[in-house]
Amino acid sequence: DVVMTQSPLSLPVTLGQPASISCRSSQSLVYSDGNTYLNWFQQRPGQSPRRLIYKVSNRDSGVPDRFSGSGSGTDFTLKISKVEAEDVGIYYCMQGTHWPPFTFGPGTKVDIK
Amino acid sequence: EVQLVESGGGLVKPGGSLRLSCAASGFTFSNAWMNWVRQAPGKGLEWVGRIKRKTDGGTTDYAAPVKGRFTISRDDSKNTLYLQMNSLKTEDTAVYYCTTYVMDVWGQGTTVTVSS
Repeated sequence: DVVMTQSPLSLPVTLGQPASISCRSSQSLVYSDGNTYLNWFQQRPGQSPRRLIYKVSNRDSGVPDRFSGSGSGTDFTLKISKVEAEDVGIYYCMQGTHWPPFTFGPGTKVDIK
Repeated sequence: EVQLVESGGGLVKPGGSLRLSCAASGFTFSNAWMNWVRQAPGKGLEWVGRIKRKTDGGTTDYAAPVKGRFTISRDDSKNTLYLQMNSLKTEDTAVYYCTTYVMDVWGQGTTVTVSS
């Protein structure tokens, strides 16, 4: 199974400042069709997860443009350009290239300093 | 509006069984591959299994910890996804979410507690 790791696991941020989360996979996530199936999810306290980014860098509908995804191969990054209070929560990366199973990272908890 | 609504969670003793349901609306359910994902208390997300649409064979795949104990099925006439859970263990305690295959839609989750 593909192992997903994230760093940091805890990220205290100042409102209005940028934040960055790293995600690494144990093998390349490039699929045979040329796509890279790496997603990012946000889970606010007490809520269901919500997909933010799919295929590395594509924002879902309604996701603010302060969120961006990048990366390739085995190294990926989620960036928040200016953190807002509503961004508090846990962020997960997930690979959908080598399945089954789909595998998630351990999560990065973002909170306000 | 695309919506998934899970139900059927509850308290069950180890070794017991439970069936979860997920009612889908707002999209053509019969065309959709679907997943179950779970989250143990205070823990991260864990994929449980997936079912393809019937035109793709309707086949299923499962995560290793649940294989042989859990069964995913669907009733396209009722727009409903199911998760039959047998031989439940305390480590199956979690919130169970149904999601679309690409996980762009999630339900609100239903809580399963396995305890004596």
